[in-house]
Amino acid sequence: DSGVTQTPKHLITATGQRVTLRCSPRSGDLSVYWYQQSLDQGLQFLIQYYNGEERAKGNILERFSAQQFPDLHSELNLSSLELGDSALYFCASSVELKNTEAFFGQGTRLTVV
Amino acid sequence: AQSVTQPDIHITVSEGASLELRCNYSYGATPYLFWYVQSPGQGLQLLLKYFSGDTLVQGIKGFEAEFKRSQSSFNLRKPSVHWSDAAEYFCAVVVNQAGTALIFGKGTTLSVSS
Repeated sequence: DSGVTQTPKHLITATGQRVTLRCSPRSGDLSVYWYQQSLDQGLQFLIQYYNGEERAKGNILERFSAQQFPDLHSELNLSSLELGDSALYFCASSVELKNTEAFFGQGTRLTVV
Repeated sequence: AQSVTQPDIHITVSEGASLELRCNYSYGATPYLFWYVQSPGQGLQLLLKYFSGDTLVQGIKGFEAEFKRSQSSFNLRKPSVHWSDAAEYFCAVVVNQAGTALIFGKGTTLSVSS
């Protein structure tokens, strides 16, 4: 158990819908990262928050957004969902801003039908 | 552009045999280097990391990796593979200036035969 909690574990939704994925980082970790894992693209970095502020952005679509709340949990919002958004979404956390050791959650498997 | 290459998509090794998984990176400076393992249905677990210093690093579960600057490589090794090592292995690099974004290779699936 990495200490990073992601909910829900599985999510099935229809095209055009909006979903919210939730991540609780390890106790004391200030950085939260979101990754998308798909068969064709592999593991892709989406976005990083540190202590409530966005600090790095990767290949995140405009239809996707994230935030980190004062209690340090984070949410990834995916809207206008398409079939191609079906993937495993991972959250990771680390103590520092610099990613010297990130701990990953077990992921949320999103299926868009 | 920065990238991480894992040339082997799938490797099969006999139980008890040695293992080497290859990783090459493309980056100007010395990056932070990582190996992660992902078991089916699980998240990623950090095996080991290299930032600087001794180029041979030891990790968990009996794994080690060697950083070779001249070859831009960071290969993962294990002297004797156990059936429980069957999983997908990812090499990753932290490349941005702030040292935050992990860039992953495509992964190598390890199968262990008895």
